Amino acid sequence: GQQVMQIPQYQHVQEGEDFTTYCNSSTTLSNIQWYKQRPGGHPVFLIQLVKSGEVKKQKRLTFQFGEAKKNSSLHITATQTTDVGTYFCAQYDYKLSFGAGTTVTVRA
Amino acid sequence: EAEVAQSPRYKITEKSQAVAFWCDPISGHATLYWYRQILGQGPELLVQFQDESVVDDSQLPKDRFSAERLKGVDSTLKIQPAELGDSAMYLCASSLNDYGYTFGSGTRLTVV
Repeated sequence: GQQVMQIPQYQHVQEGEDFTTYCNSSTTLSNIQWYKQRPGGHPVFLIQLVKSGEVKKQKRLTFQFGEAKKNSSLHITATQTTDVGTYFCAQYDYKLSFGAGTTVTVRA
Repeated sequence: EAEVAQSPRYKITEKSQAVAFWCDPISGHATLYWYRQILGQGPELLVQFQDESVVDDSQLPKDRFSAERLKGVDSTLKIQPAELGDSAMYLCASSLNDYGYTFGSGTRLTVV
């Protein structure tokens, strides 16, 4: 079935800096969801993107769905230690299929 | 806030033994999912229920895994016999619609 690829696999960020993680597909996605999993925790739903070119913001997090609906990105500004964890994108096609995630560590 | 309940939280079992995990979804959520997450990877769907019916079990290793949701509420996932490669986190999730799944805290299985 369809798979989404996430890059980078690991992101090491200095506290206060910005970074972006990407989610790519070779086929058009009906919608994309983002989840965050803290170390030792379980995935927690963050957002769903449905429309081409859609942009949604949650405080310091900005989510974007590509115009062709084949990619998505998550941009975090002014990274904090609370942002540590693994961010997964997941494509929904009657079931949710997850990418491998981007694991974020923060240097204080 | 409503939660998905899972038990046990941790399970250590010897290979060839049977093991079972339990999940109680959020009240009113008709759809229930069992995912397996290997360390360092994303969750992989094992089985999806709509009420008491299996909607998708294409990735469930049916020779050793079974899942049921008899009354359309709570669910049990069983492995018999367990193999070393089954060591993973088993996550249960539920949803009201396709807008976001709520995951439980999972069962960390170690097969020795």
